[in-house]
Amino acid sequence: GQQLNQSPQSMFIQEGEDVSMNCTSSSIFNTWLWYKQDPGEGPVLLIALYKAGELTSNGRLTAQFGITRKDSFLNISASIPSDVGIYFCAGQRGGSNYKLTFGKGTLLTVNP
Amino acid sequence: DSGVTQTPKHLITATGQRVTLRCSPRSGDLSVYWYQQSLDQGLQFLIQYYNGEERAKGNILERFSAQQFPDLHSELNLSSLELGDSALYFCASSPLSSGLPGELFFGEGSRLTVL
Repeated sequence: GQQLNQSPQSMFIQEGEDVSMNCTSSSIFNTWLWYKQDPGEGPVLLIALYKAGELTSNGRLTAQFGITRKDSFLNISASIPSDVGIYFCAGQRGGSNYKLTFGKGTLLTVNP
Repeated sequence: DSGVTQTPKHLITATGQRVTLRCSPRSGDLSVYWYQQSLDQGLQFLIQYYNGEERAKGNILERFSAQQFPDLHSELNLSSLELGDSALYFCASSPLSSGLPGELFFGEGSRLTVL
């Protein structure tokens, strides 16, 4: 079953605001990833983190791999309407199968 | 467009029936994953194949089975369907040997409704 606790479950914000969401786990992951799912589409990779403490940016998105390897957060700055969607964190323990464990997602709504 | 193709996009069937979902991975990707997405459980890993062989198994029911063919396409078979099997079923692919860990490319999903 699910092992990642993602919060918040949903957010409703005004365009231009910054957004922060996070993911925690009771066990260690060697890789943390953030995906976004638009309606009617499959998840798309936004950011991948491979080292504890790593801070990575992708445009207005910034994500960090927690030092304990049990958590990660994603920040979106200056939100725009197209940021609407479901954001998933995912963790990978390592090994060769690349199986990902997903959080339940954060539904983001941006009010123009 | 991720390059992963799933068919059918939508499927409505009755309890007790059997369905087959099909996935064509991105060109060159050897690894195929199946995930089930439901409202209450999120994205649940079902099974992974690499170059025709089963590589990892998740919470896949015994009523479900999958395989990857020599041309690398994969099929997920769901039998004795129950109402609770209604969900979005995603296929994802990755090169595995050369891609970075975690870079799964997802298809658009097959929405199964069991009535």
